[in-house]
Amino acid sequence: KNQVEQSPQSLIILEGKNCTLQCNYTVSPFSNLRWYKQDTGRGPVSLTIMTFSENTKSNGRYTATLDADTKQSSLHITASQLSDSASYICVVSARNAGNMLTFGGGTRLMVKP
Amino acid sequence: NAGVTQTPKFQVLKTGQSMTLQCAQDMNHEYMSWYRQDPGMGLRLIHYSVGAGITDQGEVPNGYNVSRSTTEDFPLRLLSAAPSQTSVYFCATSPDTGGHYEQYFGPGTRLTVT
Repeated sequence: KNQVEQSPQSLIILEGKNCTLQCNYTVSPFSNLRWYKQDTGRGPVSLTIMTFSENTKSNGRYTATLDADTKQSSLHITASQLSDSASYICVVSARNAGNMLTFGGGTRLMVKP
Repeated sequence: NAGVTQTPKFQVLKTGQSMTLQCAQDMNHEYMSWYRQDPGMGLRLIHYSVGAGITDQGEVPNGYNVSRSTTEDFPLRLLSAAPSQTSVYFCATSPDTGGHYEQYFGPGTRLTVT
């Protein structure tokens, strides 16, 4: 069964600090991996999409990495801001009929002043 | 452009009642889908549509019906609400089949079934 596991479940950091969120997946055959940001009470918003051949992708202060061999991804947030407080969701797409997406449970990040 | 809109934002139902959650998009996207999000779990696909007149089941379709008569609208119907359907529901759209393209999510509908 396709699965996406994220760690940690929750994280508290001080404003200005960096942090790294982890994602492990068992989705096969792999098509692409996405990271979404979900603010409280809102729908998820895409941060990055990476295919098999991409191992790093940045979007401002967000940098995602992908190791397709070990089936791991990370999302690094640099110089955190209060507005980074949100849930971050790792999503993996399988290259099969329907191209279904498998969602991780998310990491809830709180940035404190 | 409004993007993806969902109504209502909040809803409380009694067990056994029926209702329709509305989803509309103005991006002319072919692919639309419905997800539910429960605490501690990833979003799960309920139903999806690859174009007007075409719908299919996702991972958790039981208790829900959909139809797609136009490109713009993709309503989700709860036939007889149950407490297990208490959840936050998200509609999402994509230019084509969801796996390869960006997905755009609506703001969600928070449903409570008592």
